[in-house]
Amino acid sequence: GQQVMQIPQYQHVQEGEDFTTYCNSSTTLSNIQWYKQRPGGHPVFLIQLVKSGEVKKQKRLTFQFGEAKKNSSLHITATQTTDVGTYFCAGNTGNQFYFGTGTSLTVIP
Amino acid sequence: DAEITQSPRHKITETGRQVTLACHQTWNHNNMFWYRQDLGHGLRLIHYSYGVQDTNKGEVSDGYSVSRSNTEDLPLTLESAASSQTSVYFCASSAQGIGNTIYFGEGSWLTVV
Repeated sequence: GQQVMQIPQYQHVQEGEDFTTYCNSSTTLSNIQWYKQRPGGHPVFLIQLVKSGEVKKQKRLTFQFGEAKKNSSLHITATQTTDVGTYFCAGNTGNQFYFGTGTSLTVIP
Repeated sequence: DAEITQSPRHKITETGRQVTLACHQTWNHNNMFWYRQDLGHGLRLIHYSYGVQDTNKGEVSDGYSVSRSNTEDLPLTLESAASSQTSVYFCASSAQGIGNTIYFGEGSWLTVV
């Protein structure tokens, strides 16, 4: 079954509003990665978090790794139409790498 | 520049036919993966390989096979295509070890009629 769950599945926001997607694992993760897939495109690596409680920022994007290393979040401040796409988290559990189900973000101009 | 390419990019085939999707990477990566992507299911791992002659089943491997005869290529074969295998297929690769950045190909859109 699915090891890494992601919510929400879909999110529509007005341009300028904030957006957050959450990633939850039933087991402790060695690390977590985030990917973005533009409509019709392929997933592209955004960032990796390794340490418990780690927070990283990329311009308007803020990534967090939970203290227990079982959850993570991606927050986008003041969304823009270029943020449209599906955001996937992915993490190690054991010797495999599992992708979350993804959150599809629509930004309404 | 190193890259990962898939072919064909689009294919329509009939139920029962054997189909092979090619994947070629020039990153010299040990790890290669095949995923399928369907609405509501995200990216599901079909097969993966950690090196030449190594292949492993993922969570949705039934009806698919792979072979790894060299570092660069991991072809995915659908033995007898079924309509349930209509999907977008992504090949990916990463450097040796678990947890390295995964680089995806552009995807292959397969329709089984």
